[in-house]
Order: sequence, then C-alpha cells, then structure tokens
Amino acid sequence: NAGVTQTPKFQVLKTGQSMTLQCAQDMNHNSMYWYRQDPGMGLRLIYYSASEGTTDKGEVPNGYNVSRLNKREFSLRLESAAPSQTSVYFCASNPGSSGANVLTFGAGSRLTVL
Amino acid sequence: GQSLEQPSEVTAVEGAIVQINCTYQTSGFYGLSWYQQHDGGAPTFLSYNALDGLEETGRFSSFLSRSDSYGYLLLQELQMKDSASYFCAPEGATNKLIFGTGTLLAVQP
Repeated sequence: NAGVTQTPKFQVLKTGQSMTLQCAQDMNHNSMYWYRQDPGMGLRLIYYSASEGTTDKGEVPNGYNVSRLNKREFSLRLESAAPSQTSVYFCASNPGSSGANVLTFGAGSRLTVL
Repeated sequence: GQSLEQPSEVTAVEGAIVQINCTYQTSGFYGLSWYQQHDGGAPTFLSYNALDGLEETGRFSSFLSRSDSYGYLLLQELQMKDSASYFCAPEGATNKLIFGTGTLLAVQP
C-alpha cells in the first residue's frame, strides 16, 4: 500500500551539480506529474506524463528534464543545479481517465542548492 | 489557456463555517478538485465536482457552477486541525493539472 514513493527525501547540492529525483507509483496509474512548491507560490507544474511514453512541459520546465521510464516510474533530472531550484518537489499520479482528477502525492523531496 | 483565482488567506474561529472561492478559466473543462495541505506535508485529495451543484463529504462540501466557471469549498464546524492550505485544481482537456497559490486557512480558538 505504498502509493507514490519519492527518493531522496532530502538533498543538498552545490551549484552546477546534477541529480535525479526518483518517483514510483504502485497504483497502475496512467498519468504522473512533477510539481515544485516554494513559499507563497503554491504548486507549480514542472512536467507531466499523461501516459507511458509521453511527456509534456508544465508551467516551469526550464532547467529540468524528465523520463517516463515505464508505467510505474517518472524521474526528474536537474542537469546543472542553480540556487533558484531550491524547493520542495512533489511527484503525483492520477488514474488518467478524464473526469477522474484524483491526484495522489508523494511525501516530497526537499532540495537545497548552495 | 488556463487561469485560476483563490483568496490568499482566510481566518475563522473554531466551530464556524468558512467558504473558500475559486474562479477558473480552463480549456475543455471537465471538473474541479479540491486538495488540502498541512504545513510540511503533501497535498491530499478532498473532493471532485464534475456536475453543477453541491457535493457533501462529512463536514466538507464542494460546489460547482460550470456556467460561471466558479466553485467553492465549504468547511463546517471548523476545528483547529482544519488549519491548512486549500487548493482548487480544474481539470481540462489535457491531463495538465494546474494548481494555484492556494488559500491559507487559519482557524483560531
């Protein structure tokens, strides 16, 4: 009964370093999402994958890349981290059928870029 | 395109009723969801309206008017634990799910 699992939960990077945030869901959901949340900014969509094999840009995609590795997994990569990418990152999944907007979120990954 | 508007903050006292409004513009609109997020936690799903009218789930109710592109979340018999951020999220033709900045509800004793 894991739901959506994100790793790592915490990470500190130096400017210019790269890293990948991992996300996996075990609910057989079709759609997966990456959001970032900064104080006072709400949740902003970075990238999403409506179904296995597809990915699309969200509101704030610059500086990120994603891979929908299979139906279960959706990773977010920062190629060259910047202090502006310090944030809490949430992965979420959704059954994907229209009219079924019920996102299940992971616990979040707190990233600090120095 | 898509736009979303909610009040940034609402304050109420324990036992009271509070309404959080949401106006949206979403292409190919399907329905409106509401999520709750406690400080430091992940958002959790509260309710979904696909049709006009009121949906009730315990102390929480959610309303939708498709013609007005408007919805609200109604919280009754407020408790201290209801202090949280509340987000509305309209669902459109694509699976691109956008949230706004949310409404911070502070419940006072």
